[in-house]
Amino acid sequence: EVQLVESGGGLVKPGGSLRLSCEASGFTFNQAWMTWVRQAPGKGLEWVGRIYIQSDGGATDYAAPVKGRFTISRDDSKNTLYLQMNSLQTEDTAVYYCTTYLRGYLEYWGHGTLVTVSP
Amino acid sequence: QSALTQPPSASGSPGQSVTISCTGTSSDIGGYNYVSWYQQHPGKAPKLMIYEVTKRPSGVPDRFSGSKSGNTASLTVSGLQAEDEADYYCSSYAGRSVVFGGGTKLAVL
Repeated sequence: EVQLVESGGGLVKPGGSLRLSCEASGFTFNQAWMTWVRQAPGKGLEWVGRIYIQSDGGATDYAAPVKGRFTISRDDSKNTLYLQMNSLQTEDTAVYYCTTYLRGYLEYWGHGTLVTVSP
Repeated sequence: QSALTQPPSASGSPGQSVTISCTGTSSDIGGYNYVSWYQQHPGKAPKLMIYEVTKRPSGVPDRFSGSKSGNTASLTVSGLQAEDEADYYCSSYAGRSVVFGGGTKLAVL
């Protein structure tokens, strides 16, 4: 059974930093492209970014609102995906989901972790 | 403002069919056959319902179907059931990004 378990969310002040983790199991993690998607309270889904597999160069792509502030990385030895978030703003408040990614679709989702940015 | 445009709400009675539209551009929906749809119940993570325009993942009822014409994709739910009441989001591959619609709240009356 595929499982994605996010952790690391919490309350942080504007300008602060936070690192989210997503532990994967039930599939070959090092062969899976992965993404982060977020959802602000009462709002729709927003793509944050994705990371390729290492054999594809491990490249990353980001949505415009987070580019330069957020960094996606992976540790295939730990089956774990990360999202480093710096210079956080109140508009970054959201539930953050990690997902698998293949040809534009997101098949498996974690349960999400809530990030609240507030003074 | 979302990249893809969906109606904010839709509704139907049990047993009826309802279609939700999703309009994009030639840079996303119109340029690739990589449209997907997600169902989200309150407080839950989204669930993949349709991928690559028309394909259903294992376990998704065949009451759910997808299509595309030009820059507009559609999700049709036939034989509506109470458990279909949820938010539905369309999504499309857009080259080096993924774009979502704003979501449609489906009510089963």
